[in-house]
Amino acid sequence: GAVVSQHPSRVICKSGTSVKIECRSLDFQATTMFWYRQFPKQSLMLMATSNEGSKATYEQGVEKDKFLINHASLTLSTLTVTSAHPEDSSFYICSARVDRRDYGYTFGSGTRLTVV
Amino acid sequence: SQKIEQNSEALNIQEGKTATLTCNYTNYSPAYLQWYRQDPGRGPVFLLLIRENEKEKRKERLKVTFDTTLKQSLFHITASQPADSATYLCALDDMRFGAGTRLTVKP
Repeated sequence: GAVVSQHPSRVICKSGTSVKIECRSLDFQATTMFWYRQFPKQSLMLMATSNEGSKATYEQGVEKDKFLINHASLTLSTLTVTSAHPEDSSFYICSARVDRRDYGYTFGSGTRLTVV
Repeated sequence: SQKIEQNSEALNIQEGKTATLTCNYTNYSPAYLQWYRQDPGRGPVFLLLIRENEKEKRKERLKVTFDTTLKQSLFHITASQPADSATYLCALDDMRFGAGTRLTVKP
């Protein structure tokens, strides 16, 4: 149980276009999801906290107009990278928590975004 | 602001030995701390969660300790195997992660 499905796993897009990444909790409801980006050989950098039915909370330095997060249901959160540029190329990962004592967070498999 | 540090970027050990990884944090009092494993190109996988009122927690060959006075958690893998080679990440309860320690277990 506790699976988070993330799509697409890889995407290549042209500079200036937008890309949407989806994360779905398959067998549980996720009121909160977290979005991260990870550069090669670096750790996970928290971008934003996505809350179902309300606006996302962005970390300092993350442009909310560039990284649009929508959490319209208890099982789906999306991250849209708008007007992507090569410097946005990274590994994007989402996570959600199962409401079970002493259980951590379940992560999606990640999306490798390459902007050319 | 709080800071979370994993002191070793990389750790190499021989198969069968115990690997010990360190996680330190400052300017924060987490209700719990977590440890994850991440393989290249994959999302992290949850391993263990330890609460502030717990000193130690075990799961199979894994052991985690939590010292709120030292603001430190230690993560141990006993009888290590080459399959344990991965990056291990600690995270506070606010889901911020340390930089990770890349563990390599040599046969």
